[in-house]
Amino acid sequence: SQQGEEDPQALSIQEGENATMNCSYKTSINNLQWYRQNSGRGLVHLILIRSNEREKHSGRLRVTLDTSKKSSSLLITASRAADTASYFCADGGAGSYQLTFGKGTKLSVIP
Amino acid sequence: NAGVTQTPKFQVLKTGQSMTLQCAQDMNHEYMSWYRQDPGMGLRLIHYSVGAGITDQGEVPNGYNVSRSTTEDFPLRLLSAAPSQTSVYFCASTRGTDGYTFGSGTRLTVV
Repeated sequence: SQQGEEDPQALSIQEGENATMNCSYKTSINNLQWYRQNSGRGLVHLILIRSNEREKHSGRLRVTLDTSKKSSSLLITASRAADTASYFCADGGAGSYQLTFGKGTKLSVIP
Repeated sequence: NAGVTQTPKFQVLKTGQSMTLQCAQDMNHEYMSWYRQDPGMGLRLIHYSVGAGITDQGEVPNGYNVSRSTTEDFPLRLLSAAPSQTSVYFCASTRGTDGYTFGSGTRLTVV
């Protein structure tokens, strides 16, 4: 069953704006990962945040994790048309390397 | 490095036929997984392996078999194809401390 759930399901913004996507999960996790998928392609790992971390940065990406609320957010700053893709969160369950994916957020960045 | 290589990229099967989806990685990753992606469903785990000779079932294992005779290879076998197995299949691998590296996928249609 799907554990991670992204919100919103779809997001459309202008180039240069920031994009925020949220993810909720249900059980305890070892880590929370974010992936990007361009249309017709495989998934690309963006960032991994461990359960004892609260915030992580990578370039224009900022991920936060709130284990008390069982939620995470992905912020993409100064978006570009090339950021147009689907974004998935996936939680790595405690004690395992299996990932449970959400259904994704489809981001459209309009030039 | 080639990363994770999946073959074939596209396949059409008739109901009842069997086939093997190939997956190979050259990163010496211990952990490998097979996912299927259906529209609106995100990715669901079919089978996974934590090392050569060790495999286990994921969320949707029925109709699929796997084996892991070497670290590099993790083939997925469809025993008797059904239209419900029409999907995009992704193989992924990780060394366990980082995110997964995904293959480019196999698009399977069962008619």
